[in-house]
Amino acid sequence: QKEVEQDPGPLSVPEGAIVSLNCTYSNSAFQYFMWYRQYSRKGPELLMYTYSSGNKEDGRFTAQVDKSSKYISLFIRDSQPSDSATYLCAMGGSSNTGKLIFGQGTTLQVKP
Amino acid sequence: DTAVSQTPKYLVTQMGNDKSIKCEQNLGHDTMYWYKQDSKKFLKIMFSYNNKELIINETVPNRFSPKSPDKAHLNLHINSLELGDSAVYFCASSQEWGADEQYFGPGTRLTVT
Repeated sequence: QKEVEQDPGPLSVPEGAIVSLNCTYSNSAFQYFMWYRQYSRKGPELLMYTYSSGNKEDGRFTAQVDKSSKYISLFIRDSQPSDSATYLCAMGGSSNTGKLIFGQGTTLQVKP
Repeated sequence: DTAVSQTPKYLVTQMGNDKSIKCEQNLGHDTMYWYKQDSKKFLKIMFSYNNKELIINETVPNRFSPKSPDKAHLNLHINSLELGDSAVYFCASSQEWGADEQYFGPGTRLTVT
């Protein structure tokens, strides 16, 4: 079993839809949870960063962490064609190892 | 004004050759990383340097040798290239060791024929 599981998709939605992206994980030591967005042939860019359980909102994006279920989500409201990208979840531990474990990434296409 | 830059962007070479990839960050960060992303988009850490000191060395063939001449630079040299080395290699940096927010370069797409 991988430490971080993420459905690779692809996920195709119409413009304006609410998108839900999810990851599950097995290592309860993870304390930091991130979402990266990666456009085709580009490097991953940090989108959201959360620490421990709870919600964090930034514009159309909401990151949610449920440590009890070992489940994190990224919601995108009013999705736009420019949101079409691969979204990678990433997690870091509490031991300051500096090592991030990434999910496989979910490819999202938002159709106009 | 690129924060993390890599050269070259594309690298096509034959099996058995030796090649290097260079990375530079102008963010003033202490820690730098090399990641490999395979064709299925899995991003896996290979090495990490903090203040020029090797901190993470994952299970990577010793044909791969990183080198950090200073805090702002991290290079990756690969000897005797194999077909399985074909991937996208990303450099990343973070402000300090243990800081989980990492910033990635644009990647180097390596194709071994």
